[in-house]
Amino acid sequence: EPEVTQTPSHQVTQMGQEVILRCVPISNHLYFYWYRQILGQKVEFLVSFYNNEISEKSEIFDDQFSVERPDGSNFTLKIRSTKLEDSAMYFCASRMSTGTNQPQHFGDGTRLSIL
Amino acid sequence: GESVGLHLPTLSVQEGDNSIINCAYSNSASDYFIWYKQESGKGPQFIIDIRSNMDKRQGQRVTVLLNKTVKHLSLQIAATQPGDSAVYFCADRGSGGSNYKLTFGKGTLLTVNP
Repeated sequence: EPEVTQTPSHQVTQMGQEVILRCVPISNHLYFYWYRQILGQKVEFLVSFYNNEISEKSEIFDDQFSVERPDGSNFTLKIRSTKLEDSAMYFCASRMSTGTNQPQHFGDGTRLSIL
Repeated sequence: GESVGLHLPTLSVQEGDNSIINCAYSNSASDYFIWYKQESGKGPQFIIDIRSNMDKRQGQRVTVLLNKTVKHLSLQIAATQPGDSAVYFCADRGSGGSNYKLTFGKGTLLTVNP
């Protein structure tokens, strides 16, 4: 069964450093998303992406965050200058293009630890 | 505000029993709901979904019930197995249309005792 894959599984970074989280969505999907989950809390929406542009972003997704689809398979989340409060699990999700009632499928996440 | 939440943070059942996990939502415009299962160290795994024009939908060992009058959603798991132990989230897309974002509840931890 096709799945969303994310790398790395765990990223440890010094505060103030840039970090790039990588995702390979399911191949025939065209809608892409990033969510995050702070330890013990619920999953929160960050950004949605379609047709090579951001469709919607949350208040969390400030100027330090950016997303990119550099080629036909990868979807990345960049945090330019990380803060301690960026420590969380980051999940990538994707969805089929056909039909509005299609579920989002999630990867297993990247655990980001900011020191 | 608009949110999706769960009534119970934990649920403990015996193997073989049926489990019922509940969820309340507040956005009356919500038209699509999804249940996800999250095992330790994993991402949310799709279980079952339901549109707002339906009251009930069945899958393999799982049934989702939707009561729009009281804005309540439930997930029923038949013959619960140890492998069902996980955190279960309901999620709501509001009325976001094709490129929707999901609003997740806090989750219910289901523990299945052998």
